[in-house]
Amino acid sequence: EADIYQTPRYLVIGTGKKITLECSQTMGHDKMYWYQQDPGMELHLIHYSYGVNSTEKGDLSSESTVSRIRTEHFPLTLESARPSHTSQYLCASSEAPTGDNEQFFGPGTRLTVL
Amino acid sequence: GENVEQHPSTLSVQEGDSAVIKCTYSDSASNYFPWYKQELGKRPQLIIDIRSNVGEKKDQRIAVTLNKTAKHFSLHITETQPEDSAVYFCAANTGGFKTIFGAGTRLFVKA
Repeated sequence: EADIYQTPRYLVIGTGKKITLECSQTMGHDKMYWYQQDPGMELHLIHYSYGVNSTEKGDLSSESTVSRIRTEHFPLTLESARPSHTSQYLCASSEAPTGDNEQFFGPGTRLTVL
Repeated sequence: GENVEQHPSTLSVQEGDSAVIKCTYSDSASNYFPWYKQELGKRPQLIIDIRSNVGEKKDQRIAVTLNKTAKHFSLHITETQPEDSAVYFCAANTGGFKTIFGAGTRLFVKA
């Protein structure tokens, strides 16, 4: 079944650790996004990608980086995690090259940095 | 840039009553307005969307209206049920790369 997957679902780590949040989609979509969301609160766009080898920063300043080497894979990396990074991270994808189409969200990764 | 304001932030209704959530947007070039529902602990999912060439769209108990002149759009849920309890996000897009989301409305439907 076509879907969008995120791993891990929950992660508790110590300050200063490097982490990578994985996102994969089997929907064949070109556009992918990363949002930061405190549970039930506003969605903040932190990164997006038009396709392979394309990455852009979103509105919310983030110390994370992303890569897009394969269409289906869009990992997010934090080089040195801090307590201020504690949040939920949602990955999403959409079919259209423009934004005027449905976004499909992954289940999210809930990150806690101690 | 585009800004989307959403009201109210919290809404509590009795089961069977109607619920209305309102959003305003700032960029007159916006042409796509989706609504997402996020249940507790779940991912946001699209429930209805509307494009700027129509003024109203309905899907069973859910309807969305759009007033381009006033730059506002609303979500209407009739005959609310407990399973409608969730956070609802409106959004606006100009056809560009970014969809701007509202801050969300937490809807409680009391049985």
